[in-house]
Amino acid sequence: TQLLEQSPQFLSIQEGENLTVYCNSSSVFSSLQWYRQEPGEGPVLLVTVVTGGEVKKLKRLTFQFGDARKDSSLHITAAQPGDTGLYLCAGARGSRLTFGEGTQLTVNP
Amino acid sequence: EAGVVQSPRYKIIEKKQPVAFWCNPISGHNTLYWYRQNLGQGPELLIRYENEEAVDDSQLPKDRFSAERLKGVDSTLKIQPAELGDSAVYLCASSSSGGDTGELFFGEGSRLTVL
Repeated sequence: TQLLEQSPQFLSIQEGENLTVYCNSSSVFSSLQWYRQEPGEGPVLLVTVVTGGEVKKLKRLTFQFGDARKDSSLHITAAQPGDTGLYLCAGARGSRLTFGEGTQLTVNP
Repeated sequence: EAGVVQSPRYKIIEKKQPVAFWCNPISGHNTLYWYRQNLGQGPELLIRYENEEAVDDSQLPKDRFSAERLKGVDSTLKIQPAELGDSAVYLCASSSSGGDTGELFFGEGSRLTVL
């Protein structure tokens, strides 16, 4: 049973479009991390959000942690082909980090 | 500074054969994780070590999987005997903090194919 549900599972868009990826759970997390993974490589951390309602920006990426610390979203503005990859959210409870199933994003030039 | 190193990168075996994966974490990282990732899905935790102690192995299928982290540095994950459903990428990660906000640094993974 996956504690974290991500949507959409697949997303294919054109360069320049905006998109939002969602990460939802019925459980409360002490923090939530977002990773990006490219084929043949391990996931790489993008951001960690800790406080309910927190918003963090990383260039064209905006991350938000829900007020109740059960959900999170990742918004990408003006997507570029280099944004293509598998986006994974991961929730921390105690010392265990649980990953969602991922959103496979393809940005076409 | 070297990242997390895993070997082999690829392994193809027949079912019922044994297989072992090796991981060398980032120097100084006390926490080491083994995750299994099926195609198109997120990683699932198999086991977490704090130094040489396995502190979370509740999701490790202990009938066929075993792991060790002697001396609290590098680690080995073994499967014996392998089954068809074990085909996946086995990811090793390390962290300087076992706490809940620590960044995990992943290796490139070991892709296992069981025929």
